[in-house]
Order: sequence, then C-alpha cells, then structure tokens
Amino acid sequence: GAVVSQHPSRVICKSGTSVKIECRSLDFQATTMFWYRQFPKKSLMLMATSNEGSKATYEQGVEKDKFLINHASLTLSTLTVTSAHPEDSSFYICSASMPKILAGGITFHEQYFGPGTRLTVT
Amino acid sequence: AQSVAQPEDQVNVAEGNPLTVKCTYSVSGNPYLFWYVQYPNRGLQFLLKYITGDNLVKGSYGFEAEFNKSQTSFHLKKPSALVSDSALYFCAVRFNSGGYNKLIFGAGTRLAVHP
Repeated sequence: GAVVSQHPSRVICKSGTSVKIECRSLDFQATTMFWYRQFPKKSLMLMATSNEGSKATYEQGVEKDKFLINHASLTLSTLTVTSAHPEDSSFYICSASMPKILAGGITFHEQYFGPGTRLTVT
Repeated sequence: AQSVAQPEDQVNVAEGNPLTVKCTYSVSGNPYLFWYVQYPNRGLQFLLKYITGDNLVKGSYGFEAEFNKSQTSFHLKKPSALVSDSALYFCAVRFNSGGYNKLIFGAGTRLAVHP
C-alpha cells in the first residue's frame, strides 16, 4: 500500500518549451503533496507544498510562475516547468502525505515518495 | 532554524563489518527524525523514523538508529554491512511550518561497502 507514481520517469525537452510532470497516489488519498528538486549528488530541496483545490505554497527562492503546481484532486498533483532552460535540468521528486493513527492515538502524517523524474533541458 | 547535518560525504566499510552513518539535528520542540536511502536514479526509500518512545528504532533491511537527545544525534547503524547496502543515505527532520509538516534533509552520505 501507499504507492506514489510519477510520470514520466525521464523527459528531454528543448530550451524554451514547457514540460509537465505528474505525481499520483495510487492507493490512497493524499491530503498534501510536496515537490522536491535534487541536483546531482546533492540533497533534496523542498520547492512547494500543495493541498487539493488550493494554491501551492512555495519555498523561498522558488519562482511560482516558472514552476506551476496544480493539485486537481486528492490523488493527482502536477508540476509544470514553464519556458525550461538548461539550468532547470534536475531530478524532481514528489511525495504524498496521508494521516495515520499510531499506537497511543497519535496522528502522524506519513510522507510517501515517488520514484522521481529526470528532466534534461537541451 | 531547523537543520540537519550529515558530517560525512562518504563512508567506506568492508562487507560484514558494522556501519554507522552520522546525523545531527537542530529543531525546536520534539523532533521527528527519519532515515531514507536512495539508489541511483531512484526515489527515496523509507528506512525508519523516530517519533516518540524507545530511543533505539529498528527499521528496514536490518538498519537501526538511536535517538540521543542530549547529543541531538540520530545515527544510522547496521551490525553487518552488505555490498547491496551501498547507496546514498539521507537523514531528515520534520517540522511544522505554515500548517504543513515539512521535511528538511541532510546533505546525504554515500555509503560504499567493499567486498
């Protein structure tokens, strides 16, 4: 259970074009989805947080007009990289969160990660 | 400010030997701490987490981690390393910001297990 998929797994696009990456929670409804970016041999940097039906909250330094996030349903979030440039080439990873009740009655929002999308802009 | 530090870029260990991957954190309040592993061109795989309770947490694939509040550490350990454990390991801490539970990741430590 709790599987998150991303599509496509790899994409190559030309500079100036836009590309859309999908993140789906396959067997659960995600209250919140997160988008991360990972540079080669570097850590994951949180780009934005989104709830279904509301605008995404972007981290400082992330251009919201360049990285458009749409969270259309409880199982789907999309990240569109607009007017892509070579410096946007990166590994993009999403995660989906749902609440779990742990022993002792603690509500814990578990994050489940997708397999990532490798974007190359030429 | 919340932060996570993994002081070692790479850890080398011989197969069969014990391994330790270090992590220290800085967070206000009670920390929720995580370890993830990443294989090349793959997403993150969850290994274990500490929320509350026993300081020694056991996770997947024989890994465990010990929460040490006084040293603000959460080192990852395994008694006997396998070559297949070679991967990139991330420590993360969760905190609440703007009503969301966000994860901050350490820089990552590359574990190389040699036959």
